[in-house]
Order: sequence, then structure tokens, then C-alpha cells
Amino acid sequence: GAVVSQHPSWVICKSGTSVKIECRSLDFQATTMFWYRQFPKQSLMLMATSNEGSKATYEQGVEKDKFLINHASLTLSTLTVTSAHPEDSSFYICSATQRVTEAFFGQGTRLTVV
Amino acid sequence: GQNIDQPTEMTATEGAIVQINCTYQTSGFNGLFWYQQHAGEAPTFLSYNVLDGLEEKGRFSSFLSRSKGYSYLLLKELQMKDSASYLCAVKDSNYQLIWGAGTKLIIKP
Repeated sequence: GAVVSQHPSWVICKSGTSVKIECRSLDFQATTMFWYRQFPKQSLMLMATSNEGSKATYEQGVEKDKFLINHASLTLSTLTVTSAHPEDSSFYICSATQRVTEAFFGQGTRLTVV
Repeated sequence: GQNIDQPTEMTATEGAIVQINCTYQTSGFNGLFWYQQHAGEAPTFLSYNVLDGLEEKGRFSSFLSRSKGYSYLLLKELQMKDSASYLCAVKDSNYQLIWGAGTKLIIKP
């Protein structure tokens, strides 16, 4: 299957700082990328959908000024958690897809804010 | 609204067969997907159904009935490593993925 690379796989940051997570589709052009967060023992929660070259569409309750998403090319999307707080600690996962194919997931990023 | 339902948790015995059901109500349909997710890891793709019927892939099979808005994932010859969450997802008319909450499958020896 196609490969989606997410980096970093884990990060620890201080409260108040910003963290950037990258999601790259390595062998296909992703028209759409999704960002999810997942709390322990819970299912995926969609945060936002981003289409290349346009603004991301955020789900209700997700602060767009806090979770900045950029989808500058067909192979790269980034999620920046700004002014991170301990409650932002979570597992963040990206997935990439073309319209009619399955979504391929990155490895996930475990963020711990201390 | 759009909705996907699957059982929260199921338990099965090693070597047995288990069927995980998924029912959906979405605005349009462009395929149904099953993913497996082990704790602390990202989901991995298992199967894709867009036409009615059964798709078999080794120990795993997936069935779809579009008229009933229903799918199931069948796992045979269960192994301990099959303990995981199984996620059902449907692509709607806008090709957006709608996710179920996942079914946690517990395999007992």
C-alpha cells in the first residue's frame, strides 16, 4: 500500500511553546489529508480536513487558531499546535487519500506537554 | 445526520471465528473500509467494499449490503495478535470519510 510518513513520532514540549507535526505522502499525491487526535482507549476524533491549496475545514469544537493546518502541496500537510498546554497531550494521526482510494495513515505523533 | 454504528466491545476465543457488524446511514456512498488499530498505533487498512457481496483476504473477509446499509468483518482462526480495535468507515457523496467509534476485540486463550 501507499506510504504516509508522519514526523515526529513523539515529542515532549514545555507548556506555552508550539509544536509542528508533518505528514507526507511518499508515493502518491494526496488530494485530501485528515488530522485526527485520539485519547487513550478512545476512537479517532477528526479535527480537520485539508485539501491542497485551500483552507482546512475544522470540525466543530476544534480551535482553528490553536491547531494551525497547512496543506501547501499534494504531498505535505502540517499541523501546528500553538501555545500548547498539558490538555493538548494526545496522540495525533494524519491520513492521506485520493478521492476514490482508501485513506493511508501516518505512524502517529504522541505529544506530551509538560 | 450521518451515523455509523458498531459494537463497542466483543470477546472471542483463540482459534474461533468472530463477526463484527457495522451499520451506516450516510449522505451517499462511495465505499466502506475496515481498519485495524492496535493500542498506541495508527490504524492499518484491512479491506474495501464498494459493491455488494463478500471480499475475502486470507483470514479476514468483509461483506457489504448497500440496500441494508450494512457490513460485517469476519475474522477466522483467531490469533492473540488479532486483539485490537476494528474501525468501520464510509466515504460519503463528497468522498469524506465517516468513522465509526470502533469495536474493541478481546481474544482469550
